[in-house]
Amino acid sequence: AQSVTQLDSQVPVFEEAPVELRCNYSSSVSVYLFWYVQYPNQGLQLLLKYLSGSTLVKGINGFEAEFNKSQTSFHLRKPSVHISDTAEYFCAVSGDSGNTPLVFGKGTRLSVIA
Amino acid sequence: DARVTQTPRHKVTEMGQEVTMRCQPILGHNTVFWYRQTMMQGLELLAYFRNRAPLDDSGMPKDRFSAEMPDATLATLKIQPSEPRDSAVYFCASGLGAFGTGELFFGEGSRLTVL
Repeated sequence: AQSVTQLDSQVPVFEEAPVELRCNYSSSVSVYLFWYVQYPNQGLQLLLKYLSGSTLVKGINGFEAEFNKSQTSFHLRKPSVHISDTAEYFCAVSGDSGNTPLVFGKGTRLSVIA
Repeated sequence: DARVTQTPRHKVTEMGQEVTMRCQPILGHNTVFWYRQTMMQGLELLAYFRNRAPLDDSGMPKDRFSAEMPDATLATLKIQPSEPRDSAVYFCASGLGAFGTGELFFGEGSRLTVL
């Protein structure tokens, strides 16, 4: 079985500052990794995903994440955040060659301060 | 613009009442998932379907929850009888292809409050 730990439940950051949201996973098999974003009163939307290939993955809205197998991490980064990035961010993992549903972390609430 | 549609968006009910939540997946998607979101537990997978067939509902309290797909355009999640601890936001999501590699498209959720 797979599991995900998001180390920070809340991250406040000033506008135009860089941000990193941390995610660690646990799995006995190869994994696929995802970041989803949830804006207030909305469902989740896919930001980016890692399936194979380059360990640096670029997503929408200027976000990127790096898969680090040795550290079992998939941290999300953005070099300069905007007020509109204020949202809840979820890391998710699936394994078993993609035959198992996503398991989500508990989320990190990013608050961008003007 | 294709999207997952959930009804009702908000529901307030009293303990013991039956609650039915509905989901219209994106046309052509063959996988459907029900997730529950609470502050304490985060997002929990309740049940999922492929080509309308239920594959796993081990995440649901079996004695009170049931999930079905009467046809390809409708998925339902029923709670009978409801309890205060069922208060949460229930999300439906649909996708195409393998469970763990494709993008999931989420509805806006059904916020349930059980008094």
